[in-house]
Amino acid sequence: NAGVTQTPKFQVLKTGQSMTLQCAQDMNHNSMYWYRQDPGMGLRLIYYSASEGTTDKGEVPNGYNVSRLNKREFSLRLESAAPSQTSVYFCASSASGSVNTDTQYFGPGTRLTVL
Amino acid sequence: AQRVTQPEKLLSVFKGAPVELKCNYSYSGSPELFWYVQYSRQRLQLLLRHISRESIKGFTADLNKGETSFHLKKPFAQEEDSAMYYCALSGGYSGAGSYQLTFGKGTKLSVIP
Repeated sequence: NAGVTQTPKFQVLKTGQSMTLQCAQDMNHNSMYWYRQDPGMGLRLIYYSASEGTTDKGEVPNGYNVSRLNKREFSLRLESAAPSQTSVYFCASSASGSVNTDTQYFGPGTRLTVL
Repeated sequence: AQRVTQPEKLLSVFKGAPVELKCNYSYSGSPELFWYVQYSRQRLQLLLRHISRESIKGFTADLNKGETSFHLKKPFAQEEDSAMYYCALSGGYSGAGSYQLTFGKGTKLSVIP
């Protein structure tokens, strides 16, 4: 039971390049999330998927697209990377049951640098 | 709009001293409050939630609706408590049965031996 896994762990891109960050969970969770973590900014929600087949914007969606490929996988795509997208990206999942008991489980993160 | 404020970027305390990590929130409804922790080289993980009223690793947090605060406290700090702590707020359901967390900017706790 690996929980939430993310690939790659590290990535360096040049401005204008594209790439997809992959996330998978093996906990049979319905909801999945993408966050970015910047120094002094905490975690900010980029996109989330409440259930398979649905996606919604979070706080900072500009410059990103997502795909909920199936119940297990949720990918984040940068179509044309910019230096402002240099960050650590975290994927998370939750069962999406009661708001009183639901817990988000986080992946190990992807450190992305855009030159 | 919901907002979480953690006024201290860095908090340094000596081992054995009491710890209080401050968290204030802004939300018009009835929020759910959480503390998440990220130890060095580890994943972000849930430490505790206010609805459970539990003590985890000696930490407790009380929701004060009058002061809109959810401060994290521990009577005697240990070196292994050194980590990044994030206060988070859930405003309830959004979308089809899911909910969003709004995180504060985090406080780095450093426990000095």
